[in-house]
Amino acid sequence: EVQLLESGGGLVQPGGSLRLSCGASGFTFSNFAMSWVRQAPGKGPERVSGISGGGGATYYADSVKGRFTVSRDNSNNALFLQMSTLRVDDTAVYYCAKDSKNWGSRYFDLWGRGTLVTVSS
Amino acid sequence: EIVLTQSPGTLSLSPGERVTLSCRASQSVSSSYLAWYQQKPGQAPRLLIYGASSRATGIPDKFSGSGSGTDFTLTINTLEPEDFAVYYCHQYGSSPYTFGQGTKLEIK
Repeated sequence: EVQLLESGGGLVQPGGSLRLSCGASGFTFSNFAMSWVRQAPGKGPERVSGISGGGGATYYADSVKGRFTVSRDNSNNALFLQMSTLRVDDTAVYYCAKDSKNWGSRYFDLWGRGTLVTVSS
Repeated sequence: EIVLTQSPGTLSLSPGERVTLSCRASQSVSSSYLAWYQQKPGQAPRLLIYGASSRATGIPDKFSGSGSGTDFTLTINTLEPEDFAVYYCHQYGSSPYTFGQGTKLEIK
């Protein structure tokens, strides 16, 4: 079955760190770019980070640049998001998403169920 | 950054009706790189349409997309109870990729 499963969310204080993981199955993981997309309560989605199939190219939204780091382990079909210096406005459900291809303009054709990150004191 | 504006914010309709949702971009969307997603409460978004008018795998033909440039629409024929959800448009032609704020379809 083609699926993505996130883990690692939780409650963290402002300034803290958290590492999200995403396990993939049912497709050739290394052939596709992957992204992290977050959705704050009552808001539309926002792509915060992406990584190419081989891991050599990455993308970060301005809102997280310098604080978040995306990585992947193709041998274990896993995607990661290391989040540091977390802020209250980082509170959201974080989704792991499969890009439609490895390069060029791409949409998201598969999403995980999401993991909730709450930043609060 | 391309801003996507969806209208209306909420629509109240009855099962069996036909609906057209609007998504307007602040600048032209390159090569019609516009997608639509459906999201039900507590679930992840599901891809419906990509390339403005191509249906994703497994999506029934009651869903159709159209448009180009700055104006795009999603049409849903013969609404069924499972179609009542939030719909988002998404442009992936220019970085940063952006999403609309969503249109909620609710049962009248």
